[in-house]
Amino acid sequence: EDKVVQSPLSLVVHEGDTVTLNCSYEVTNFRSLLWYKQEKKAPTFLFMLTSSGIEKKSGRLSSILDKKELFSILNITATQTGDSAIYLCAVLYPRGGADGLTFGKGTHLIIQP
Amino acid sequence: DAGVTQSPTHLIKTRGQQVTLRCSPKSGHDTVSWYQQALGQGPQFIFQYYEEEERQRGNFPDRFSGHQFPNYSSELNVNALLLGDSALYLCASSPRRGGTDTQYFGPGTRLTVL
Repeated sequence: EDKVVQSPLSLVVHEGDTVTLNCSYEVTNFRSLLWYKQEKKAPTFLFMLTSSGIEKKSGRLSSILDKKELFSILNITATQTGDSAIYLCAVLYPRGGADGLTFGKGTHLIIQP
Repeated sequence: DAGVTQSPTHLIKTRGQQVTLRCSPKSGHDTVSWYQQALGQGPQFIFQYYEEEERQRGNFPDRFSGHQFPNYSSELNVNALLLGDSALYLCASSPRRGGTDTQYFGPGTRLTVL
């Protein structure tokens, strides 16, 4: 069963648009939710969220977590072509003393000039 | 400050062969996790090492094994390669007692099995 579900799976918008990416999860002993951006190979870290309702912000990107409804959103305002990438959501919940991340399938975002 | 490094970058093997992938964690990190990312999918957790022991394993067969060395670097070994093992193999490191859950990823090794 899918524990982390991202939507949409792909999205094409024009430069300057605002986009909202969704991530829902269903795990026990939730500890944190992480967003990564993957362009070529290495996913690069964007945000880590542990508490509900506290927005994390970095430039044009922001994210928030709702632990009651079990979801998070990633917003990107004034999109640029450099924002084109796969955005991965991952949840960390301790299992047997280890902290492996469980990822969604990602949202493939394409920004057209 | 060097980030997570992995070698080799690319690798081509044939079915039935064995492969070893290597990872050096970010400076100050003692925990290494390995992930497999098939085309069009998110990374899947293989296992995690700290204190030179495998701590938890994802849903992968025993053909996948690993090792962690005293300097915290790690190897991933895959025996009896199958076509389905073709994927990007990512290594991530984190500090066990660093007070953060953030894992930092290396550039990956692209494995192609023919």
